[in-house]
Amino acid sequence: DSGVTQTPKHLITATGQRVTLRCSPRSGDLSVYWYQQSLDQGLQFLIQYYNGEERAKGNILERFSAQQFPDLHSELNLSSLELGDSALYFCASAPGGGQGANEQYFGPGTRLTVT
Amino acid sequence: GQSLEQPSEVTAVEGAIVQINCTYQTSGFYGLSWYQQHDGGAPTFLSYNALDGLEETGRFSSFLSRSDSYGYLLLQELQMKDSASYFCALTGTALIFGKGTTLSVSS
Repeated sequence: DSGVTQTPKHLITATGQRVTLRCSPRSGDLSVYWYQQSLDQGLQFLIQYYNGEERAKGNILERFSAQQFPDLHSELNLSSLELGDSALYFCASAPGGGQGANEQYFGPGTRLTVT
Repeated sequence: GQSLEQPSEVTAVEGAIVQINCTYQTSGFYGLSWYQQHDGGAPTFLSYNALDGLEETGRFSSFLSRSDSYGYLLLQELQMKDSASYFCALTGTALIFGKGTTLSVSS
């Protein structure tokens, strides 16, 4: 158990819908990272938040957005869902927010299925 | 951009030693990390090389050569539970992962 929690574990929804994935980092960690894992694209970095502020962006679609709240939990919002958005979504946390956060602690993931 | 290449599959038997290679292209990074992921589970951190050379952590060792843009993960005394996917990742602002190597350990 990494100490990172994610809800829900599974989510099934239809194309065109909007969903929100939630992540609570390990106690004391200020950074939250979101990753998408699909069979064809592998594990891809989406976005990082540090202490409430967006710190870095990866391959995140415009239909996706995220935020980190004062209690440091984070939410990833996915809208206008397409079949290709079906994937495992992981969040990870780390103590710092600077460069070189090599050791990140991953949550169990949310499996999103878009039908 | 940044990219990493690693073999898609490796097979070995219990007790053996296996090396998973990783070559990369990047304009800058802090180090090379290795993560293990069991089927459908969360990736877990294994090892990190900030500097050239070998890092040893129990049965696992990792190596980095910046001049060759190359690294590897060495797993010794393989056990069945080591069957998993192994990812190398460039460490910068975030982790940029390779596509992963599926290791199958048989008895």
